[in-house]
Amino acid sequence: DAKTTQPPSMDCAEGRAANLPCNHSTISGNEYVYWYRQIHSQGPQYIIHGLKNNETNEMASLIITEDRKSSTLILPHATLRDTAVYYCIVRGSGTYKYIFGTGTRLKVLA
Amino acid sequence: GAGVSQSPSNKVTEKGKDVELRCDPISGHTALYWYRQRLGQGLEFLIYFQGNSAPDKSGLPSDRFSAERTGESVSTLTIQRTQQEDSAVYLCASSPYLSTDYTFGSGTRLTVV
Repeated sequence: DAKTTQPPSMDCAEGRAANLPCNHSTISGNEYVYWYRQIHSQGPQYIIHGLKNNETNEMASLIITEDRKSSTLILPHATLRDTAVYYCIVRGSGTYKYIFGTGTRLKVLA
Repeated sequence: GAGVSQSPSNKVTEKGKDVELRCDPISGHTALYWYRQRLGQGLEFLIYFQGNSAPDKSGLPSDRFSAERTGESVSTLTIQRTQQEDSAVYLCASSPYLSTDYTFGSGTRLTVV
């Protein structure tokens, strides 16, 4: 699976949009971009995934660049409960293992 | 059940003892995964079960680690002769067949003293 690079930490003011970047410059054509988050003392939680088109669900939006070498997870109105570690993972359609890096620790500030 | 259930939630054991960790997947989920998360680190894949197929054990760090699953039900992860470096949170996840969306349990925090 392709390697991903994320900033180790970010802060965001409550109510503002949180934009979490991820680089995956070695991604191949059949690999999807997944985002999970892990709130303290809990297991990771699925957020969203995409292949090349931008995706939106009730939790977040995923913007993938045209060359697919990077993506951004957007939490449109961050709340204190969004404080967590966010993992960007690239995974092929024929594989089942996720390779988790160390993620981005997002802190939402009141 | 409604989610993936793991027990115990916390386990403190003495170095050299064996421990057994349990995972109850979501009913109907054919795939089950074990991961390990050391303090401040990402998740390390340990083992994967899919139905009655042979498990993928490629992530098990040593022969002290083993896991079993009967059919599509409960799985147990056993660590023999525990060492201090085994201290971590052990996470279990399950998913429907061919689905890429895992549901994780809350994990078992293992402390070896």
